[in-house]
Amino acid sequence: NAGVTQTPKFQVLKTGQSMTLQCAQDMNHEYMSWYRQDPGMGLRLIHYSVGAGITDQGEVPNGYNVSRSTTEDFPLRLLSAAPSQTSVYFCASRGGSGANVLTFGAGSRLTVL
Amino acid sequence: AQSVTQLGSHVSVSEGALVLLRCNYSSSVPPYLFWYVQYPNQGLQLLLKYTTGATLVKGINGFEAEFKKSETSFHLTKPSAHMSDAAEYFCAVLFLGNQFYFGTGTSLTVIP
Repeated sequence: NAGVTQTPKFQVLKTGQSMTLQCAQDMNHEYMSWYRQDPGMGLRLIHYSVGAGITDQGEVPNGYNVSRSTTEDFPLRLLSAAPSQTSVYFCASRGGSGANVLTFGAGSRLTVL
Repeated sequence: AQSVTQLGSHVSVSEGALVLLRCNYSSSVPPYLFWYVQYPNQGLQLLLKYTTGATLVKGINGFEAEFKKSETSFHLTKPSAHMSDAAEYFCAVLFLGNQFYFGTGTSLTVIP
């Protein structure tokens, strides 16, 4: 099993550009989520999904869109990137026998100039 | 409001010394509690968790934590620090519902 796979690992954008961070899991987990990690602020929840077709906002959703068309994939879209979105982004999922444990991807480091 | 507090953003210990990383939460209902570790340029890995049952839980790499309801705490300990323990440690809480709340993290430095 690959677990949670995030792409790309690194990305540099200019202000105003758009991009999508990809997240895929092969564990048949119903719950998927996106966090951003910033120094001194820990991990903050951006959006989450409890199943295909269902998404909800977390603590810091502004500037980000998500969709969940399949159980496996949960992409995070930045429609117009801003320097404040420079961060490390983590996708995490949970479900099955480990229902209360989050499994994390390796992270995507985004820099917005 | 629910929250998770980790006291001390940076902790330094000598190799072989006791590691103590502090975590407190605010909630009237005991939540599920977790410690995660993050090594440089990697994602987060589960160290240990408390859901129900025994309040002293053991995790990987010799770490353990004790859930103390009266103190709303879940401190992480290891009797003897090793150089490989140097990492960022996050306390996390799952309250009723679907959202995990993470502390701001504690960076552990181990001095040879």
